[in-house]
Amino acid sequence: AQSVTQLDSQVPVFEEAPVELRCNYSSSVSVYLFWYVQYPNQGLQLLLKYLSGSTLVESINGFEAEFNKSQTSFHLRKPSVHISDTAEYFCAVISQGGSEKLVFGKGTKLTVNP
Amino acid sequence: DAGITQSPRHKVTETGTPVTLRCHQTENHRYMYWYRQDPGHGLRLIHYSYGVKDTDKGEVSDGYSVSRSKTEDFLLTLESATSSQTSVYFCAISKTGLNNEQFFGPGTRLTVL
Repeated sequence: AQSVTQLDSQVPVFEEAPVELRCNYSSSVSVYLFWYVQYPNQGLQLLLKYLSGSTLVESINGFEAEFNKSQTSFHLRKPSVHISDTAEYFCAVISQGGSEKLVFGKGTKLTVNP
Repeated sequence: DAGITQSPRHKVTETGTPVTLRCHQTENHRYMYWYRQDPGHGLRLIHYSYGVKDTDKGEVSDGYSVSRSKTEDFLLTLESATSSQTSVYFCAISKTGLNNEQFFGPGTRLTVL
C-alpha cells in the first residue's frame, strides 16, 4: 500500500517570495505522482504530474516539482508566488500497474500575504 | 472544465435520515469515485466504480453504499446519516484508473445535525 506525507500543514509566505511544499511518499512498487490544487470553495484541479521520463515537471503557472526516487520525495516549488496562489495543495500517489486508487496527502495550506 | 456536476451542493439533514448524493458526468469516463474531505485528513476514498454496476470499497466505506446503473451517474447513499458523516463530498472521474488524471466535481457540503 502507498502512503503520502505532506510535512507542512500550513505555509505562510509573502508575495514574490519563493516557496517549497514538501511531499514524501512510501511505496513498495513504482508510482505515479501528482500535485492537485484546491482554491477556496472549489474542487481539486490537477497542477502537475510525474509519470515517467524527466524527473522535473512543470505547470503552466510557474510551479515545478522534482521526483527524487532515492529520497521518495516529490516537492513542489515556485520561485516567486502571487496572492492568487493562495490555496490548499495536495500531493497524491498511485501505484503503477494494478491499483485504481489515488492516495492523497493531508494537504498544505499555502497563504500568500501582501 | 470536465463535465461533472454534483447535487445537491449543500444539504442539512438530521441524524438517522437517509441521504443520497448524485454525481453526473458528460465525459463518458469509465471510472468514478466518491471522496470525503475533512480538515486534517485530506481526501479519503469512500467507494469507486470501474464500470456500470461495478463498484468497490475505498478506505472509509463503512456507513456508505453506492450504485451505478448508467455510465454517467454515480450515487452515494448514507443509509442512516450520523454526525461523523458531516463532511464535504467530492466526486471524481477518470478515463482509466491508473495514471490518468482524475477530474473533480465542485463538491457537496453535507451537515448532519
